[in-house]
Parts: sequence; structure tokens; C-alpha cells
Amino acid sequence: NAGVTQTPKFRILKIGQSMTLQCAQDMNHNYMYWYRQDPGMGLKLIYYSVGAGITDKGEVPNGYNVSRSTTEYFPLRLELAAPSQTSVYFCASTDRQPPPGGYTFGSGTRLTVV
Amino acid sequence: AQSVAQPEDQVNVAEGNPLTVKCTYSVSGNPYLFWYVQYPNRGLQFLLKYITGDNLVKGSYGFEAEFNKSQTSFHLKKPSALVSDSALYFCAVRRTGANNLFFGTGTRLTVIP
Repeated sequence: NAGVTQTPKFRILKIGQSMTLQCAQDMNHNYMYWYRQDPGMGLKLIYYSVGAGITDKGEVPNGYNVSRSTTEYFPLRLELAAPSQTSVYFCASTDRQPPPGGYTFGSGTRLTVV
Repeated sequence: AQSVAQPEDQVNVAEGNPLTVKCTYSVSGNPYLFWYVQYPNRGLQFLLKYITGDNLVKGSYGFEAEFNKSQTSFHLKKPSALVSDSALYFCAVRRTGANNLFFGTGTRLTVIP
């Protein structure tokens, strides 16, 4: 099925460990986004990309890195995980701005840092 | 700068009654406004948007929203609530020229049978 695929769905990390959250879309969308969702805080933008090779910071980029070598993939890297990074992470994409059909969201990755 | 306020964390409504979920915004220029719904353990799903044109926008699942420029509001409405409408609802805004959406904090809607 066409859409945004995120892996893994769940992960527990120890403080100081690193990991990569994977995001792939098969809709040839140029724009891709990483958000984190914390209770009562809504969604906060971490990083986004307007096309392969182009990335930019969002509201809360500290502690994260991204890359976009192809249109399809937009991985999010956590270095030196901290408890404050415990959250649900969503990847989203759209083909243009403003998004005519809204963003397409993945199903999320629930990350716990202990 | 841009911001979105959803003043109610929780809205309860009886099944069959009309529902309203409130959203106000602040953005420079003309706003692009969106509503999304999130069911448990799922990603957000697009409901409807306002870009330009008619102030009353119709979307998925019988939802509609009214854009009010003077009150800077974009309230989500449905004439008759269903239990299956129970979910978390997010309002979002995009300012002209921006590459991303800015989301509100969400409102949890509970429809009581």
C-alpha cells in the first residue's frame, strides 16, 4: 500500500545509546518531516526536507540529525539518547505546498529512553 | 511567527448532539488551516483544509469547519456526533511561503453513548 512507513514501531533505549528511526515513502513526495508528539504538547517539528539533499531544522532539532540522500528515505538519527527524548515520533510527507490533501503520516515510533 | 490555540483539552458530547472543537490562530499573511484526527496508536489523518474561497469547508466523515477571519478562528463542527468520532483532534496552520505546518496541542473528543 502506498504511504509512509516507519520502523521500528517501538524501541527502548538506554541513556547514551544511539539509534536511527527509519522513514520511507513511495509516493515520490518532495517534502518530508519529522515530528515528535508529547502528551499535552501537540506535535513539534524536529527537522524537515524539501527534497533530496536539502534538510532544515524545525522547532526542536537539538539531539537529532537527519539526512536525505534519496526522495524515498528520510532517517532520523538520535545520538546519545536522553530521557527527554522519550516520545512518539511521526514522519510525514507531502508533494507540494500548501499540501492539497494534507500531510500523509506514518503510524509512529514509540521511543522510551531509560 | 505563527501559533495555534486549541483552548479545550477535552470536549465531551452526547451521541447525536452537534459537536464543536475550537481553534484560533495567529499568523502573518493569509493563513492555510487544517484539521487532523488521530485515533489511538495511529498517525494523524487529514480531515479538511481551508486555503481560500468559501468560509465553510466540508471534509471527511461529515465534518466541516468554518473560517472566520475577523475572529481568527477555524472551529471544527459536526451536526450529529458518533461514538466513533471519539479521538484526538489537531488544528494546524501554515503561513504563506512556509514549508511546514504548525500544530496545536490537540483536543480530545469523547462522544458519550
